[in-house]
Amino acid sequence: ILNVEQSPQSLHVQEGDSTNFTCSFPSSNFYALHWYRWETAKSPEALFVMTLNGDEKKKGRISATLNTKEGYSYLYIKGSQPEDSATYLCAPSKAAGNKLTFGGGTRVLVKP
Amino acid sequence: GAVVSQHPSWVICKSGTSVKIECRSLDFQATTMFWYRQFPKQSLMLMATSNEGSKATYEQGVEKDKFLINHASLTLSTLTVTSAHPEDSSFYICSATGGRADQPQHFGDGTRLSIL
Repeated sequence: ILNVEQSPQSLHVQEGDSTNFTCSFPSSNFYALHWYRWETAKSPEALFVMTLNGDEKKKGRISATLNTKEGYSYLYIKGSQPEDSATYLCAPSKAAGNKLTFGGGTRVLVKP
Repeated sequence: GAVVSQHPSWVICKSGTSVKIECRSLDFQATTMFWYRQFPKQSLMLMATSNEGSKATYEQGVEKDKFLINHASLTLSTLTVTSAHPEDSSFYICSATGGRADQPQHFGDGTRLSIL
């Protein structure tokens, strides 16, 4: 069982401000790191799947970086909007497998 | 984008009843489907991995006779909670993927199960 930590557990952001949060995971046998956004009453939505050390991916105002050697990933939200309010989940997978181990999530609330 | 449909979304039933939850991939072939459970204020916990045409692989601590999983086709997996009891009350959610770990999983909307 992988130990996946996300911090902070929750954060409040003022509309227009930028924010970021962390996902930490074991660096051994790493294969891929997934990020999902989970809005209330909806299904989790895939944001990124990252595999390469140093990789950076972007989707609109949201971007993510990956450090596989030290076992962490950052997710950034630039110019937060109320529609960004959601729980953001990260999940690494180990080599030769497609099972994901989810972290506890970071719950983001963007205040107008 | 890929769509996964999960039914029912909400079930309330008496203790001892068996409940079947369906997970369908609507616009792609899902070689692998996953079943998760979420306890209150906790994250998604993987229960089992289901590959089309083969027996499901259960995670440690998950009773396979309690949680029966069938993946008879590339678009349908079912989870049956047999002889459900109040402690089985939880949120269950499925996901589907083409199979590789560098591909995203596509989730259903989840099923809220309440056993009285």
